[in-house]
Amino acid sequence: SQQGEEDPQALSIQEGENATMNCSYKTSINNLQWYRQNSGRGLVHLILIRSNEREKHSGRLRVTLDTSKKSSSLLITASRAADTASYFCATDRSGANNLFFGTGTRLTVIP
Amino acid sequence: DGGITQSPKYLFRKEGQNVTLSCEQNLNHDAMYWYRQDPGQGLRLIYYSQIVNDFQKGDIAEGYSVSREKKESFPLTVTSAQKNPTAFYLCATQPGSSSSYEQYFGPGTRLTVT
Repeated sequence: SQQGEEDPQALSIQEGENATMNCSYKTSINNLQWYRQNSGRGLVHLILIRSNEREKHSGRLRVTLDTSKKSSSLLITASRAADTASYFCATDRSGANNLFFGTGTRLTVIP
Repeated sequence: DGGITQSPKYLFRKEGQNVTLSCEQNLNHDAMYWYRQDPGQGLRLIYYSQIVNDFQKGDIAEGYSVSREKKESFPLTVTSAQKNPTAFYLCATQPGSSSSYEQYFGPGTRLTVT
């Protein structure tokens, strides 16, 4: 299966600390996306990184992509209680115009 | 969630009944998607449509059906053939068919079948 896998499954940190989540996938991709989901809600797009990019920033978010290792990481700096959510990576599928979503990392930021 | 409406938010049905979940969008997006999410799990693709009057099966289409008669609407029917229909259902849209676009999600419908 192409489905990505996030690591760790759950992460608990203190407010102000940095949070790092990892995503691994199995086949070549054109781009990788990260989404956030608050409990019981829909997903919200955070950032997209293309296969020819190695790093991308958006506010307190930093995403890296290593296509040789088929992995990506999402770093949230100076975390806030409001960052508490599940985070998913999604990769495109070769030859298809839809996405594979990973299993997610549940982040809890303790005030 | 803006621009995508899923109704109702909670839905309860008896086993053996078909049920239709609504998804409406005013974003003028071409592509629409239905996902299923089980507790603590990622999203699994049920069906998707890239254009009106056309749709394709996703990874877990068995027991589900869809229609795309209008650009703004993509209803999902959960039939009695679906063995384990209790789940959180998410509808999403995308501006175009390329995977380089981000997807926009509705608020979801939580279906409970007893």
